[in-house]
Amino acid sequence: DIQMTQSPSSLSASGGDRVTITCRASQSISNYLNWYQQKPGEAPKLLIYGASSLQTDVPSRFSGGGSGTEFTLIISSLQSADFATYYCQQAYSPPWTFGQGTKLQVK
Amino acid sequence: EGQLVESGGALIQPGGSLKLSCATSGFTFSDYGFNWVRQAPGKGLEWISYIRSSGDTIYYADSVKGRFTISRDNAKSSLHLQVNSLRAEDTAVYYCARDSGPRHYYDLWGQGTLVTVS
Repeated sequence: DIQMTQSPSSLSASGGDRVTITCRASQSISNYLNWYQQKPGEAPKLLIYGASSLQTDVPSRFSGGGSGTEFTLIISSLQSADFATYYCQQAYSPPWTFGQGTKLQVK
Repeated sequence: EGQLVESGGALIQPGGSLKLSCATSGFTFSDYGFNWVRQAPGKGLEWISYIRSSGDTIYYADSVKGRFTISRDNAKSSLHLQVNSLRAEDTAVYYCARDSGPRHYYDLWGQGTLVTVS
């Protein structure tokens, strides 16, 4: 199975900050990497698919990059609505594993 | 846009069984594959099963293989997960999620249904 490791596991930041979350795969997954945002008590929401494609209606302050084994999710200027937990997921081969999550908190 | 609504979650004793359902609306059900993803209390997301649009391809996570069965009813636009031989570690919110296709990203999620094994 492909293991997905996110860093950091938690992050404190302030509104307006630029934030980078990293996701590493245990083997190459090309660009079969998706990012989700989850707020407490809610279902996850798709942000980025194919490593860098922004899902419809997702603000442009979110961007994704990378290929192979290392990927990044960048939030260019944090807004209050962005404080949540973020998960990467590999879609290269089943089981389609998620990272452990990165909790983004208010500093 | 579409909507997914899960049901069937309950408090159940170890060793018991349940059938979870996911009712769908607002899109052509038979065009899409679907997944079940679960989340134990305070924990991360765990993918557990997938069924292709045609129903001819099914995958399971090792943690549920042999105990859980995914199925779909295209006539009723619904997805199901039969969960047997439940264990305490199966306690979680179970989400159904629509699969985009070859890129396997999940663009539509239900609100989840809670299964508590105790």
